[in-house]
Amino acid sequence: DIQMTQSPSTLSASVGDRVTITCRASQSISPWLAWYQQKPGKAPRLLIHKASTLQSGVPSRFAASGSGTEFTLTISSLQADDFATYYCQQYSSSSATFGQGTKVEIK
Amino acid sequence: EVHLVESGGGLVQPGGSLRLSCAASGFTFSGFWMGWVRQAPGKGLEWVASMKLDGGDKYYVDSVKGRFTISRDNANNLLHLEVNSLRVEDTAVYYCVRVRGIVLLFDYWGQGTLVTVSS
Repeated sequence: DIQMTQSPSTLSASVGDRVTITCRASQSISPWLAWYQQKPGKAPRLLIHKASTLQSGVPSRFAASGSGTEFTLTISSLQADDFATYYCQQYSSSSATFGQGTKVEIK
Repeated sequence: EVHLVESGGGLVQPGGSLRLSCAASGFTFSGFWMGWVRQAPGKGLEWVASMKLDGGDKYYVDSVKGRFTISRDNANNLLHLEVNSLRVEDTAVYYCVRVRGIVLLFDYWGQGTLVTVSS
């Protein structure tokens, strides 16, 4: 199985900050990498697919990049609505796996 | 608008069974793969199972193979997950998900149904 590792596990930031989350895969998965946002008590929401394609309706302050085994999600200017947990997910094989999550909290 | 509404969760003893259901609306159900993803309390996300349009091919995470069965009723826009031989570690919120294309990309999620396995 492909293992996904996110860093950091927790990130403390302020409104307006630029934040970056990293996701590493145990083998090459390009370009089959997605990012989800989850708020407490809510279902996850798809933000990014195919490593860098923004899902419809997602604000342009979200951007993602990467290839092979290393990927990043960047929020260019953190807004109050962005404090949440973010998960990466590979879908390159017949089984999908998620990273452990990165909680973005208020500094 | 796509809507996925799960039901069937509850408290069950170890070794017990439940049937989870997901009612889909707002899209052509028979035209999409569907699946289930779960989340244990305070933990991350785990893909559980997925199935093709007509139910021909089904895929499961290793930890549930032989215990869980995914099925669908395209006539009534329903997805099911039969969960048997439940273990304490199966305790989780189970989300119904729509799969985009033929890869395991989950573009819409239900609100989830909680399964608690405890004696």
